[in-house]
Amino acid sequence: EAGVVQSPRYKIIEKKQPVAFWCNPISGHNTLYWYLQNLGQGPELLIRYENEEAVDDSQLPKDRFSAERLKGVDSTLKIQPAELGDSAVYLCASSSGAGGEEQFFGPGTRLTVL
Amino acid sequence: QKEVEQDPGPLSVPEGAIVSLNCTYSNSAFQYFMWYRQYSRKGPELLMYTYSSGNKEDGRFTAQVDKSSKYISLFIRDSQPSDSATYLCAIRRGSNYKLTFGKGTLLTVNP
Repeated sequence: EAGVVQSPRYKIIEKKQPVAFWCNPISGHNTLYWYLQNLGQGPELLIRYENEEAVDDSQLPKDRFSAERLKGVDSTLKIQPAELGDSAVYLCASSSGAGGEEQFFGPGTRLTVL
Repeated sequence: QKEVEQDPGPLSVPEGAIVSLNCTYSNSAFQYFMWYRQYSRKGPELLMYTYSSGNKEDGRFTAQVDKSSKYISLFIRDSQPSDSATYLCAIRRGSNYKLTFGKGTLLTVNP
């Protein structure tokens, strides 16, 4: 069974440019998470979806970040415009939602903003 | 005070050593405790998950929780070079799926 798929794996952009990350969760997983991981830090939750509904987006910087999960399956996280401080790894995770104790993580997208 | 504190290391041990990794947390509302392993350029993967105080063993790995001291530990016996990774503790409240992670401890096991 395929795990959580993310693309691209690496992205280099100049500041003020837009960027988008895509995530396809494990089949059947209703809950999807986007995390931000800075170098030398643990992941920090940006947004959590239950099916297509964003149930926790309190940590998402809404002035420049947006996310969608239109059909309750795959999801896109966008940054517009990107800033130097956005350089980090963006991780997507999914869980079954029935208890949801185990979150399965994708490999992440490493963003570098120049 | 951060909700969870973890010594980032790095920690370097010889093969076969017993490794002890630790985290402390500040809020007694946290009920679920997890350890994740993260290899370089990979996402975290769940190693151990526990709810109650006490020990939980899985092969060479033992997770220990002391709720009275707000202290969690991961022990690795007979450490192997393949255990070289960053180990992240994570905690969660009962009714909320949000995980709060420690900074992670970078472990290197030398052959």
